[in-house]
Amino acid sequence: EIVLTQSPGTLSVSPGERATLSCRASQSVSSNNLAWYQRKPGQAPRLVIYGASSRAFGIPDRFSGSGSGTDFTLTISRLEPEDFAVYYCQQYGVSRITFGQGTRLEIK
Amino acid sequence: QVQLVESGGGVVQPEKSLRLSCTASGFPFGSYGIHWVRQSPGKGLQWVAVVWYDGNVKYYADSLKDRFTVSRDNSKNTVYLHINSLRDDDTAVYYCARDPGGVVTLDYYFDYWGPGTLVSVSS
Repeated sequence: EIVLTQSPGTLSVSPGERATLSCRASQSVSSNNLAWYQRKPGQAPRLVIYGASSRAFGIPDRFSGSGSGTDFTLTISRLEPEDFAVYYCQQYGVSRITFGQGTRLEIK
Repeated sequence: QVQLVESGGGVVQPEKSLRLSCTASGFPFGSYGIHWVRQSPGKGLQWVAVVWYDGNVKYYADSLKDRFTVSRDNSKNTVYLHINSLRDDDTAVYYCARDPGGVVTLDYYFDYWGPGTLVSVSS
């Protein structure tokens, strides 16, 4: 199965600044079938990015996804208070769906 | 708006069975696949199973397929996950989530999720 490694485990950033989250795959993710999710305590996870770079419905344009092959990045250009959460990447390019272990984005 | 709500979780003894439900609203339920995903305490997310729009196509995680059964009742806008022979490591929050592919395909990512239901396996 494809192992996804997210880094850093915790990222401390001030509101208004940029956050860059990394997701590295143990082998190439086919067709860039990679998604990012946001999860806040007590809430349902929320799709942020699919297809490595397409924003989900209702996601502000300060969120962007990039990358291909084995290296993917989620960038939040100007952090708003509501953006602080745990972010997970997920690959769906092969028969076994796998997730990264998550990056906690916290207020500095 | 699209909503999914899981129910049926609780404290269950090892070796017992449990049925979880996922009830949906706000979209044409019978036209979408629904997945189950779980997260054990302190561990990552694990995909469990999917049932496609008409209930005739089902897939399971290899390590779980012997004890887990997914089904759906489109007349009730509900998907079920039946778990047999519960083990300690089945303790997790169980989420249901919609596949955006509709009747065309299963995309295997999740555009809407429920808030989850906690299953705790304990004697």
